[in-house]
Amino acid sequence: QAQLVQSGPEVKKSGASVRLSCKASGYTFSSYGIAWVRQAPGQGLEWMGWISAHNGYTNYVQKLQDRFTMTTDTSTSTAYMELRSLRSDDTAIYYCATNRIDGFDLWGQGTKVTVSS
Amino acid sequence: QSALTQPRSVSGSPGQSVTISCTETSSALGGYIYVSWYQQHPGKAPKLMIYGDTKRPSGVPDRFSGSRSGNTASLIISGLQAEDEADYYCCSYAGSYTSYLFGGGTKLTVL
Repeated sequence: QAQLVQSGPEVKKSGASVRLSCKASGYTFSSYGIAWVRQAPGQGLEWMGWISAHNGYTNYVQKLQDRFTMTTDTSTSTAYMELRSLRSDDTAIYYCATNRIDGFDLWGQGTKVTVSS
Repeated sequence: QSALTQPRSVSGSPGQSVTISCTETSSALGGYIYVSWYQQHPGKAPKLMIYGDTKRPSGVPDRFSGSRSGNTASLIISGLQAEDEADYYCCSYAGSYTSYLFGGGTKLTVL
């Protein structure tokens, strides 16, 4: 069945960069988009951005635009996100999700990113 | 700046119904293309419960329903069960590859 499998946990120092992956299977990856959503400890969900796996179009939340990049590799059905200049408030669980319908119907298991000083 | 406001918490007894509201606090929610709703149990990824304002994905019990009127969307859970205890988030989409926005989340307690 369709699934998104994310890369493992990361521990980074402040100022470093982190690159996470999200591998899709069980559906036609290039037909849909991938969103990245994060959740800080004890907090709610925050939409970070969305990328079309069809044409690479991207849309980022304004506050992250200058240090956040999303890409896709259709040959491996994998989406990537990179967050640069990490700060302590970037500590969160990062989820990828796809919207094959009018909502995010398929989610990855999440990747925990810890930023330490 | 748009924001989606949800009650921080709601509660109900088994068998009862609860409604979780999601109100757009700046421009009219009528400007959004659709609202979706997510259930999240502790330590788990969110799960889609309602999409396109009122539609239920396959496998979601028909106890869950969605509605939308003006600048407020609602998630209605009838016949509450213990396993419904979770956090619930609304999410709006403005269309044309614009941004998504999540509400702050509502903790549902089944008494």
